[in-house]
Amino acid sequence: QQQVKQSPQSLIVQKGGISIINCAYENTAFDYFPWYQQFPGKGPALLIAIRPDVSEKKEGRFTISFNKSAKQFSLHIMDSQPGDSATYFCAASIDYKLSFGAGTTVTVRA
Amino acid sequence: NAGVTQTPKFQVLKTGQSMTLQCAQDMNHEYMSWYRQDPGMGLRLIHYSVGAGITDQGEVPNGYNVSRSTTEDFPLRLLSAAPSQTSVYFCASRIYRDRMDGYTFGSGTRLTVV
Repeated sequence: QQQVKQSPQSLIVQKGGISIINCAYENTAFDYFPWYQQFPGKGPALLIAIRPDVSEKKEGRFTISFNKSAKQFSLHIMDSQPGDSATYFCAASIDYKLSFGAGTTVTVRA
Repeated sequence: NAGVTQTPKFQVLKTGQSMTLQCAQDMNHEYMSWYRQDPGMGLRLIHYSVGAGITDQGEVPNGYNVSRSTTEDFPLRLLSAAPSQTSVYFCASRIYRDRMDGYTFGSGTRLTVV
C-alpha cells in the first residue's frame, strides 16, 4: 500500500499554462517532501523539496505548496514549457528513506 | 565526477538464474539505496546502506541481497530470478547528514525475467 498518493496520473497542458500535481500522505512522521523529475530512459532528478515547517517554497517556475494540517502538498509548474514534459514524482521521507507517489506524466503542447 | 554509475543498462534473465546489478558512486556519499520502478507504482525501496558494512531492508527486500564492503560500491544480487522481478532498477546515493540535499540517481538497469 502506497504511503503517498499522487494525482492525476497524467495531464496535458498548453505551453504557457499551469500544471498542478497533488499528493497526500498519512504518516505524520514524514519530515522531508521532495519532488523528482524523470525523463524517459533517465533516473529521477531532484527538482525541489520542502520541510513540513514551511508552507510554500518557490524555485524559478516551480512552487511547492504544503498544507500540514490536511497532510497534502502540491507542485505547481508555472508558464509550462515543452521541455517540462516528463514524469513527476512526489515523495516523503523518514530517516532518509523515500516513499514515492505513483507519478504524473506531464505533456506540454506547443 | 561520474556520479552514480549502474551496469548493465539492460539484462534478460531466465527464471531461476542469479545475477548482480552493479552500482558505484564517486562522490563519497555515505548513504546508498536501491529502488525498483514499476508502472503505476512509483519507486519502491529494496535495500539501503548508511555506510560501509551497514545494510538494512526497505519496503520490498524479498528475493534480493546486498552488501557494502566499500563506500563506493553497493551491488544488488538477485538470488533466483522470478518474472515478478521484471522491473527497472535504480541505485541512488546521498550525503547522510544533509537532510535537504537530494538523492543522486543512476540511469537505471532494465531487467526482464522470462
